[in-house]
Amino acid sequence: DAGITQSPRHKVTETGTPVTLRCHQTENHRYMYWYRQDPGHGLRLIHYSYGVKDTDKGEVSDGYSVSRSKTEDFLLTLESATSSQTSVYFCAISDGARPTGELFFGEGSRLTVL
Amino acid sequence: AQTVTQSQPEMSVQEAETVTLSCTYDTSESDYYLFWYKQPPSRQMILVIRQEAYKQQNATENRFSVNFQKAAKSFSLKISDSQLGDAAMYFCAYRRKETSGSRLTFGEGTQLTVNP
Repeated sequence: DAGITQSPRHKVTETGTPVTLRCHQTENHRYMYWYRQDPGHGLRLIHYSYGVKDTDKGEVSDGYSVSRSKTEDFLLTLESATSSQTSVYFCAISDGARPTGELFFGEGSRLTVL
Repeated sequence: AQTVTQSQPEMSVQEAETVTLSCTYDTSESDYYLFWYKQPPSRQMILVIRQEAYKQQNATENRFSVNFQKAAKSFSLKISDSQLGDAAMYFCAYRRKETSGSRLTFGEGTQLTVNP
């Protein structure tokens, strides 16, 4: 199994509070991604990173920011959480050198915004 | 932009029977990857099977096989001899091949129930 750890795994917070989710990998993979999963929408990309300090927006990036100061860590921040950000968040990694193309996923973080 | 569509929100199958999950996608690319991921109640995303678009032969992994129709942009998953452990949400996904760090685009998912 790919070494991907997400923290926290569960969090309940109130509207307007800041929240940071952490993704830590031990695979030294170059690419890291944050997705959110909602019923009827599958997984949608929030932000991704193609190297240290190199990040870009995905399709649902509004209200989220990311940072990657080290290869192994990719942080997702909700500056001021809203109820619409209640979701399950997945981190994923990939190694651009592999010919197989798949992403490896963490176990997900369930966030509830009251 | 690429899109992936799974038109069956829910499917059910009897244990030991065969079921087929449908997926269509839209792309202007000629070479790409297609995947089926399984998500059991544990929430873990598990790769079931992978297909590279330039390979004409349909991928097979034990009881799981795909029917890849490139011209029709269709990528269905067949599960043979269904088992109770196959019950899960299944996601079809697309990924461009030209850019090594390209993102996965997912369908909406199909919830599969296996009846004993």
